[in-house]
Amino acid sequence: GAGVSQSPSNKVTEKGKDVELRCDPISGHTALYWYRQSLGQGLEFLIYFQGNSAPDKSGLPSDRFSAERTGGSVSTLTIQRTQQEDSAVYLCASSFSGGPSYEQYFGPGTRLTVT
Amino acid sequence: AQSVTQLDSQVPVFEEAPVELRCNYSSSVSVYLFWYVQYPNQGLQLLLKYLSGSTLVKGINGFEAEFNKSQTSFHLRKPSVHISDTAEYFCAVSEDTNAGKSTFGDGTTLTVKP
Repeated sequence: GAGVSQSPSNKVTEKGKDVELRCDPISGHTALYWYRQSLGQGLEFLIYFQGNSAPDKSGLPSDRFSAERTGGSVSTLTIQRTQQEDSAVYLCASSFSGGPSYEQYFGPGTRLTVT
Repeated sequence: AQSVTQLDSQVPVFEEAPVELRCNYSSSVSVYLFWYVQYPNQGLQLLLKYLSGSTLVKGINGFEAEFNKSQTSFHLRKPSVHISDTAEYFCAVSEDTNAGKSTFGDGTTLTVKP
């Protein structure tokens, strides 16, 4: 079956522009996560969706970042007025359930470069 | 709050040598522990996980890890590495009371030399 897919794979944008990153989770997975991976660093949690519950937005670094998940499936991460420090790989993951014991399945990531 | 420390940022080893990648965590409640691997230009994939029961957990590609509650550690080991094991390895912890939110370490780059 298909894994988690993300698009685009690479995105170069100018400082100040808005960008949208897309994630298609594995069919049937109710939980979806966004992470940011900066060069040489670990994964920084951004936001977590579980079913129809309100998302956990506690990791979003600023109000320029937002995410939505439509129909419990596809998710879009939006970064407004991009800054150079937003340059990173943005990873999406999904899991069968939102419980802490469930492994996460990761997409290949979107590499964002802000010039 | 949960946290994860991977004690080595880079581990160079020769092919067929044993390797240990160290991971310590901090949490005040029951935890679940994971090791993920990220091969060059690929996404993260699960290597192994500890949920409960036996403290020695075996994963894919000959890797194993041991959960040590008293030392709050979950070190990853392999008795004999291959060139193909060159990758970045991430330790992650999730708390029993914190839904699915996992905290990841900063990663350890394993480089296997011929």
